[in-house]
Amino acid sequence: AQSVTQLDSHVSVSEGTPVLLRCNYSSSYSPSLFWYVQHPNKGLQLLLKYTSAATLVKGINGFEAEFKKSETSFHLTKPSAHMSDAAEYFCVVSDPWAAGNKLTFGGGTRVLVKP
Amino acid sequence: DSGVTQTPKHLITATGQRVTLRCSPRSGDLSVYWYQQSLDQGLQFLIQYYNGEERAKGNILERFSAQQFPDLHSELNLSSLELGDSALYFCASSATSGGGVEQFFGPGTRLTVL
Repeated sequence: AQSVTQLDSHVSVSEGTPVLLRCNYSSSYSPSLFWYVQHPNKGLQLLLKYTSAATLVKGINGFEAEFKKSETSFHLTKPSAHMSDAAEYFCVVSDPWAAGNKLTFGGGTRVLVKP
Repeated sequence: DSGVTQTPKHLITATGQRVTLRCSPRSGDLSVYWYQQSLDQGLQFLIQYYNGEERAKGNILERFSAQQFPDLHSELNLSSLELGDSALYFCASSATSGGGVEQFFGPGTRLTVL
């Protein structure tokens, strides 16, 4: 079984300051991990993915995430927040060895960016 | 724009009714997925089809069913609707069927059951 815990349901940052969104996963295998973003009244957009290559993964819009197996974590960071980063972010796990491709989502972290 | 289209965008109906949600995957993608997003349950996987065949199943209610047609579009049928079925329903697609592959999401259909 696989599960994902996003440690903060809400994060508030000032524009231009760093953003840290925390994610821990539980899995009986070496997982594939993703971060998706959902802007208000929009669908989900892929930010980045980890699939057992480099542990530091760079994504779109300046985001990056680091896979730490010893800590079962996959935290998302951005050095400088923009107003356009205000959205909900989802950490997602998938079993790369499964015949199907069920995505298991964390509960989401809503990011507020203050001017 | 992900290339995945969903219709309708909004749907308002009454309890006990039946509705059909439609999804067209990205060009070339063979897998289609359905997810439900609600305030109390979050985002939950419902079902996956690959090239017309069911490939994976989540906690999909027996009142819900889906299919994928030869042209690869998919429909999610929801019947005997209850208030608790009100949610945002997303369709996603990917090129292959196996795990670990990123999925591309449509804009969703917002279902309101009154």
